[in-house]
Amino acid sequence: QVQLQESGAGLVKPSQTLSLTCTVSGGSISGGDYYWAWIRQPPGKGLESIGYIYYRGSTYYNPSLKSRVTISLHTSKNQFSLKLTSVSAADTAVYYCARDNRGTYRNDVFDVWGRGTMVTVSS
Amino acid sequence: SSELTQDPAVSVALGQTVRITCQGDSLRSYYASWYLQKPGQAPVLVLYPKNTRPSGIPDRFSGSSSGDTASLTISGAQAEDEGDYYCNSRDSSGNHVLFGGGTKLTVL
Repeated sequence: QVQLQESGAGLVKPSQTLSLTCTVSGGSISGGDYYWAWIRQPPGKGLESIGYIYYRGSTYYNPSLKSRVTISLHTSKNQFSLKLTSVSAADTAVYYCARDNRGTYRNDVFDVWGRGTMVTVSS
Repeated sequence: SSELTQDPAVSVALGQTVRITCQGDSLRSYYASWYLQKPGQAPVLVLYPKNTRPSGIPDRFSGSSSGDTASLTISGAQAEDEGDYYCNSRDSSGNHVLFGGGTKLTVL
């Protein structure tokens, strides 16, 4: 059974770069027709898609974050990562990684999620 | 359209039926998937697009769609069904991922 685990700094200073890694266990990150996604949730608020990367390397980014986001695949380590530059307090959130197993559906199916990691932006 | 709208809160008596809705123009073209998030936990997929259930999700959960509205129905709500429900789909162009604002379900 595939499991995901987020890791990275829990406290980031304003204007710096947020960096997170998602480690995939129980299956190969490039072993199927999957997209690998980052989703965040500010305290007390709803879910927001950050973006995703296809196992072949193509990416999608939320237009509101696109200028600051990079999602990368690290197949040799069975990981994918998120970098968000020039962070501010508005980027404080729980960050989840998730597998998008949409198959033949025309929209997303986030069927496996990590537990999430809280990132606080503060000086 | 670039929004999915959900009622902020809904309540249901134990054992009764409740419908949670998600409205957006894009839902005329795209199905929604549904997630349940309990406090302090990650969301869990409870309905695929086209309203089928993942394995392990009780059959009291069902989905439907009509026009610009997708619905999640719980027939015989249980205490463990409490939590925040989110719909997820695409915008009308199909290019962008959307989540609804979430509906907090309370089972009385």
